[in-house]
Amino acid sequence: DTEVTQTPKHLVMGMTNKKSLKCEQHMGHRAMYWYKQKAKKPPELMFVYSYEKLSINESVPSRFSPECPNSSLLNLHLHALQPEDSALYLCASGRGNTDTQYFGPGTRLTVL
Amino acid sequence: GENVGLHLPTLSVQEGDNSIINCAYSNSASDYFIWYKQESGKGPQFIIDIRSNMDKRQGQRVTVLLNKTVKHLSLQIAATQPGDSAVYFCAEGPPQDDYKLSFGAGTTVTVRA
Repeated sequence: DTEVTQTPKHLVMGMTNKKSLKCEQHMGHRAMYWYKQKAKKPPELMFVYSYEKLSINESVPSRFSPECPNSSLLNLHLHALQPEDSALYLCASGRGNTDTQYFGPGTRLTVL
Repeated sequence: GENVGLHLPTLSVQEGDNSIINCAYSNSASDYFIWYKQESGKGPQFIIDIRSNMDKRQGQRVTVLLNKTVKHLSLQIAATQPGDSAVYFCAEGPPQDDYKLSFGAGTTVTVRA
């Protein structure tokens, strides 16, 4: 099973709202990732968790707050976002060690 | 930093023909490469990968070729079908970084009926 699931599929939020994106994988992967993707662009890495610890933060603004409650789950907490944060947010998982990353379907986020 | 790039942003292919999508990379130390397919409204889907100790790898209807001499990667799709219409990204895994993939800009493939 190479499935990574993400919820919700779509999210519309105001700039004062607090919301969370959720990601789950049951492949036993040790690394989980958050990416942001704008239209017609490649995914941009935001965060990497390895063994449930944050190992990479690509200078992401603090209005994005990741959390890894356990080895299968990854959350992205959103607060006080800006309209330019509207994008497709992708979760991925992998074994690390420059191995394949498997992506979820993404959450389409719109900030009003 | 080192980047992975694509030669063409778009490719139009007649159904049934073979497609070739190209990608150039600049980090000669990279040892792992992946091709992803992304359909509209979906996440990137793994197609095929190749390590630097190989120069060719075949999957179902797809072949990846790696030319380390000129730092060039290509994806060949045999007998292209309408369902192959998508954006294709190559990605590079540098050996010194355990987690990061560097993505190319992507090639949009459109299959003509």
